[in-house]
Formats: sequence, structure tokens, C-alpha cells
Amino acid sequence: QKEVEQNSGPLSVPEGAIASLNCTYSDRVSQSFFWYRQYSGKSPELIMSIYSNGDKEDGRFTAQLNKASQYVSLLIRDSQPSDSATYLCAVKESNQFYFGTGTSLTVIP
Amino acid sequence: EAGVTQFPSHSVIEKGQTVTLRCDPISGHDNLYWYRRVMGKEIKFLLHFVKESKQDESGMPNNRFLAERTGGTYSTLKVQPAELEDSGVYFCASSQVPRGEQYFGPGTRLTVT
Repeated sequence: QKEVEQNSGPLSVPEGAIASLNCTYSDRVSQSFFWYRQYSGKSPELIMSIYSNGDKEDGRFTAQLNKASQYVSLLIRDSQPSDSATYLCAVKESNQFYFGTGTSLTVIP
Repeated sequence: EAGVTQFPSHSVIEKGQTVTLRCDPISGHDNLYWYRRVMGKEIKFLLHFVKESKQDESGMPNNRFLAERTGGTYSTLKVQPAELEDSGVYFCASSQVPRGEQYFGPGTRLTVT
């Protein structure tokens, strides 16, 4: 059984701080990695994808991938209250996506 | 551009009844996926269509679940007969290429009583 592990949280950070979300995965052949944001009662919304080792930046978001350590993270700079949501890590292998249970983030004004 | 749509948004049925969920993917997306999230658990893959063909249905729980995508456009997921453990949120997602990012619909919350 392939596993994607995330700390469920809740993770609380003050407004303006950096939020760091972590994800580990069990399958070494996984090649594509995604971060989704899900507001309560809403659908998962894609915010970042990363395919190769290193950092990928998009606005206030930075995804970091380390395939040797089987680790992918998401940094949110200058956190805003509107960033409060559950963040899902997804790992794609072949044509299947494997999701973590999500980390709940609260940004405190 | 319209996103992925799903219907109904919420369905409450009794054990033993039949329910059909519908998903309309983003126009032009050949790849369509069904997922399910049971309360407190992670989102789990059910199956994957490429156009009208089932590419992978290894995640389907049992033969009470039947998915179709006639004509390669919208898809339906039928549960017959429904059991209590089928309750959860059923998400549909679509993507333009197999490697590409998937875009999710709002989900159908199914409650079996």
C-alpha cells in the first residue's frame, strides 16, 4: 500500500509568518508531486506541482522536493488569514494519485 | 473556462437503493478520474478514464460500483445497491494529459442511511 504521510495539524502561524507544510511518501518511483488547498466544504484546488528535485517558486508559495529523502514540502511566505485551509499533498505514480490526509493550517490575524 | 462540475451536490439515500452521480469534466480534457473521501480518511482513487475507455479501475471497491463515460464526455458513477460504508464525498477530476495537473469538481456528498 503506497502511503503519503502528512501531519494533520492543526498548524497555527501568525499573519505574515512563514508556514511550512511537510509530506513524505513511501514509493521511490513516484515522479510527480502536487499540493492542493481545500477550504472547508469545497473541492481541492491545485496550487503547486513539482516534478524535479529542488525548489519551485510561485508567488508566495515554494514547493521543495527531495526524492532521495522521499520528502516534499510547501512553504507559504507572508501568510494571510485567507490561507487558512487544509493542504493536501498528492503523489502521482503511473496514472494514479495518492493523497495524504491533509494538514490543517490556521493563520491568525 | 468552466471548471469540473458534479451533480448532485448532496444525495441522501437508504441502504439498498441506487444512486447515480454525474461528472462533467473541463472541456477538452480526455482524462477523467473518480475519487472518494470517507470521513477522516484520505482521498482515494477509484478509477481513471481516457476518453471513453477505462484506463485503470483498480480502486473501485467492488462490483456494486459502475462507472461509464459514453462518448468520452461526461461520466456517471452508479452505486447499486448502496451500503452504509459507501457514504462519503465523491470527487471527480479531469486533466488534459496523463502527466498533467488534475482539476477537481466540488464533489457529491453521499449519505447512505
